[in-house]
Amino acid sequence: DQQVKQNSPSLSVQEGRISILNCDYTNSMFDYFLWYKKYPAEGPTFLISISSIKDKNEDGRFTVFLNKSAKHLSLHIVPSQPGDSAVYFCAASKSGNQFYFGTGTSLTVIP
Amino acid sequence: GAGVSQTPSNKVTEKGKYVELRCDPISGHTALYWYRQSLGQGPEFLIYFQGTGAADDSGLPNDRFFAVRPEGSVSTLKIQRTERGDSAVYLCASSLIGGDEQYFGPGTRLTVT
Repeated sequence: DQQVKQNSPSLSVQEGRISILNCDYTNSMFDYFLWYKKYPAEGPTFLISISSIKDKNEDGRFTVFLNKSAKHLSLHIVPSQPGDSAVYFCAASKSGNQFYFGTGTSLTVIP
Repeated sequence: GAGVSQTPSNKVTEKGKYVELRCDPISGHTALYWYRQSLGQGPEFLIYFQGTGAADDSGLPNDRFFAVRPEGSVSTLKIQRTERGDSAVYLCASSLIGGDEQYFGPGTRLTVT
């Protein structure tokens, strides 16, 4: 059973606009959430994380929002750049042992 | 510094054979994770090491899969009697401490014919 879901397999955004990637989870015990970016033939690269005690974390152009009541998190990228084109995975963990990943969203930023 | 490295990058084997996949984590990282990623899916947790011991091996699919990390650094994932369904990219990740953000290697693409 998929505990972390990314329901949009793909997203296209114009350069300079905002990209919003969404992720839903089912396990209320998750206490740590992360976003990874993946280019073809490479392993995922850590982008940004958020603890369940926060509802927002910002790092440059990347902001992650967490809505615990809705069991939903989102990644905002603004402004989007062509180099942001990649597959984005959200992941969640409880107690740090196991990390559960979503199926990914392929982002294309159009120049 | 050097990132996580995995060897081989590609492995083709016949059904029923034994394979070993190697992971060299970032120096000083105490936690090491193995994942399996099938086409169109996200990484699926297999096993987590804290130091030399397997802190959580609940993701290993069956007893054909085994992993070791004898000196708390390099890890080897071993698959016996491979099946076509084992074909996937096997990813290794390490982190400074357990539960921290992970740094992934490029993966080993295993194809069982």
